[in-house]
Amino acid sequence: GEDVEQSLFLSVREGDSSVINCTYTDSSSTYLYWYKQEPGAGLQLLTYIFSNMDMKQDQRLTVLLNKKDKHLSLRIADTQTGDSAIYFCAETQPGGSYIPTFGRGTSLIVHP
Amino acid sequence: DSGVTQTPKHLITATGQRVTLRCSPRSGDLSVYWYQQSLDQGLQFLIQYYNGEERAKGNILERFSAQQFPDLHSELNLSSLELGDSALYFCASSVVGREQFFGPGTRLTVL
Repeated sequence: GEDVEQSLFLSVREGDSSVINCTYTDSSSTYLYWYKQEPGAGLQLLTYIFSNMDMKQDQRLTVLLNKKDKHLSLRIADTQTGDSAIYFCAETQPGGSYIPTFGRGTSLIVHP
Repeated sequence: DSGVTQTPKHLITATGQRVTLRCSPRSGDLSVYWYQQSLDQGLQFLIQYYNGEERAKGNILERFSAQQFPDLHSELNLSSLELGDSALYFCASSVVGREQFFGPGTRLTVL
């Protein structure tokens, strides 16, 4: 079955890089997404990567995809206190209704 | 701002009652999804509508129902409410097969 796993917590110092990891089980995944949820708010799409890509960079964000290991990571460079939030990994498979499977979310805590 | 709106923002009600949550999708998006987020269950997919028709069902209880209207807005109806139904309810919209855009959510508290 489909499953997306993330570690629950990550604590980093302001200015350092953060790396949030995600593993998934379905090798037919087409799109893989990272969402950010700030307290009391909805999920905000940060970035996504198509399964035929290995890497995508967007300003401070770098997404790495290792299809062989079914591993996705999100690197945030120069992490700021405003990056403190819950980060969700999600993936979709082709066909059907494209309902994404979400991980439980990683709570990123940035301290000064 | 994702372009998806949800009302109300907060809802407090009693057990046994019925409530309706409303969602307006982004302009041009035909698909609407409903999710429930609670501390113990995480983000749970409830149901999807596409252009007025039910497209997929997830972990939606029989006490819950939804519909999508001709103007594409959607409503989620929750009835015979229980304490355990207290959660954040999110609506999302998308072009089929692509990324979802989430609304700000409705926080439901059942007392």
